[in-house]
Amino acid sequence: SQQGEEDPQALSIQEGENATMNCSYKTSINNLQWYRQNSGRGLVHLILIRSNEREKHSGRLRVTLDTSKKSSSLLITASRAADTASYFCATDPYLQGAQKLVFGQGTRLTINP
Amino acid sequence: NAGVTQTPKFQVLKTGQSMTLQCAQDMNHNSMYWYRQDPGMGLRLIYYSASEGTTDKGEVPNGYNVSRLNKREFSLRLESAAPSQTSVYFCGGRSSGLETQYFGPGTRLLVL
Repeated sequence: SQQGEEDPQALSIQEGENATMNCSYKTSINNLQWYRQNSGRGLVHLILIRSNEREKHSGRLRVTLDTSKKSSSLLITASRAADTASYFCATDPYLQGAQKLVFGQGTRLTINP
Repeated sequence: NAGVTQTPKFQVLKTGQSMTLQCAQDMNHNSMYWYRQDPGMGLRLIYYSASEGTTDKGEVPNGYNVSRLNKREFSLRLESAAPSQTSVYFCGGRSSGLETQYFGPGTRLLVL
């Protein structure tokens, strides 16, 4: 079963507002990654946060990680219409061998003009 | 660079038919992956290949087989398609030492 649970499943906001998505997971991880998927397209990597990091920024993106609560959040500031997409968290479990990302079910974000 | 490419983009099969989904990458990825994505869901790992010459099962391998033909190519075969295999299939790749995966555009498969 999928490890990541994302909340909310869908989010609709006005352009210019901030969007926050949350992800919870179950087991120890090496890192947690966020991906974006535009409708009908493949996933594109956005940002990665390692298990020993608490916060990371990339442009308008801010990711936090709380390993004690096994949760992460993705904040998109000053949203734009082009941010409309589905956003997935993916955990990289602490396992030997090849990386096997485990994806959440995603948050569908709609930015209204 | 083309990145990760997949063929075909779309396929309709009848129950019991077989087909092979192709994936190729020119990003020198050591590891390659096949996922399926069902409506409203995230990706689930079907099979992966940690390196050329090795393949292993993921979370949902039943009904599928894979071949890592060489470093660039990783194919997914459905021997006898079932309606439950209707899904969008994504191929991914990752280079050794890096944690980010790169994905192809997907193959939409409809099994009637």
